[in-house]
Amino acid sequence: SQTIHQWPATLVQPVGSPLSLECTVEGTSNPNLYWYRQAAGRGLQLLFYSVGIGQISSEVPQNLSASRPQDRQFILSSKKLLLSDSGFYLCAWRGEGPLYEQYFGPGTRLTVT
Amino acid sequence: DQQVKQNSPSLSVQEGRISILNCDYTNSMFDYFLWYKKYPAEGPTFLISISSIKDKNEDGRFTVFLNKSAKHLSLHIVPSQPGDSAVYFCAAIGVGGSQGNLIFGKGTKLSVKP
Repeated sequence: SQTIHQWPATLVQPVGSPLSLECTVEGTSNPNLYWYRQAAGRGLQLLFYSVGIGQISSEVPQNLSASRPQDRQFILSSKKLLLSDSGFYLCAWRGEGPLYEQYFGPGTRLTVT
Repeated sequence: DQQVKQNSPSLSVQEGRISILNCDYTNSMFDYFLWYKKYPAEGPTFLISISSIKDKNEDGRFTVFLNKSAKHLSLHIVPSQPGDSAVYFCAAIGVGGSQGNLIFGKGTKLSVKP
């Protein structure tokens, strides 16, 4: 069966510090991968998606970036965090084929102070 | 502009009764719809989906209804249980030529009271 991991679970970082969040998927190959953010009291905002290694599409301009160095690894980064980057970050995957369901990881709670 | 709208931010229901969560969409190109359930500090979990070729899909206590002409869908939970208390997100996708990107509503927080 497929599983998705995210770490760390929680993170407190000062403004201006760098960020690296990691997501890995097991039990599937060539998944579509997604990074979402849920800010307080808001819905799920798609940040990046990837259909393959090295292929990244950005949905929202911001100071975040994403990379996919391996088939089942997706990384969210920032060189300098802003207060507005605080939120709950979710990684998701979707397999190949006609089904459109995405499956989410446990999330990372980021607080920028 | 919100393409998927969940106009009720919260809903409170008594245990054993029916919960009805509503969702409206504006994009007529959407043809596949999903509901997710999310507990605090956890990732959303997929509940149920429906294709636009259907008007109803049922899975246990959960039923999703789709009214294409009204661009409206609803999730019915019968009977409601305290463990159903969570935030429910509606999502939509236009599958023709898309990359599989879901558009989510802002969610409805359901509270089921014992």
